Amino acid sequence: AQRVTQPEKLLSVFKGAPVELKCNYSYSGSPELFWYVQYSRQRLQLLLRHISRESIKGFTADLNKGETSFHLKKPFAQEEDSAMYYCALSGFLSQGGSEKLVFGKGTKLTVNP
Amino acid sequence: KAGVTQTPRYLIKTRGQQVTLSCSPISGHRSVSWYQQTPGQGLQFLFEYFSETQRNKGNFPGRFSGRQFSNSRSEMNVSTLELGDSALYLCASSLAPGDYTEAFFGQGTRLTVV
Repeated sequence: AQRVTQPEKLLSVFKGAPVELKCNYSYSGSPELFWYVQYSRQRLQLLLRHISRESIKGFTADLNKGETSFHLKKPFAQEEDSAMYYCALSGFLSQGGSEKLVFGKGTKLTVNP
Repeated sequence: KAGVTQTPRYLIKTRGQQVTLSCSPISGHRSVSWYQQTPGQGLQFLFEYFSETQRNKGNFPGRFSGRQFSNSRSEMNVSTLELGDSALYLCASSLAPGDYTEAFFGQGTRLTVV
């Protein structure tokens, strides 16, 4: 079964400080991991995915299969980063196609001035 | 192009009633997924439709059902509403099932059951 755990419901940092939002997953197959972000009064949107290994808005995330983690990191947090962040997991089926997308419960990040 | 449109944006229903929510995907997208978002449980997968067929289903009671039309628009229905059904219901559309890298979410329908 797919499972995503985000241990922190709330995370508060000061502007300019590093930030790390934790995500651990459980999945027996080949996982595909994502980070989604929801700013206040806006739609849920994709921030980044592990396959592309990209950096979006200064955020990066590395898939660690040994620790089954996909933590989201940013070296210098900005006030506009304040939002709800969701880690999500899908999986590749052996017969082709993908599993459903399963979300963690989210972490609310607040960046204080 | 227009984004994912969900109607209505807000609904207030009483216990025992039934409700139908609508989701119009981005033009050309044929896959629609539905999620329930609550403060306590976060986002929980309800079901996914592709080409008018339910492809995947989450762990929700049979009171929750859905369908997809030939134009890819989707509806979800909740019968015999309970207080615990109060939530934000989100739909997401993508070109193909499981194509989450290109999935776009609607703004949601806020359902309040009183």
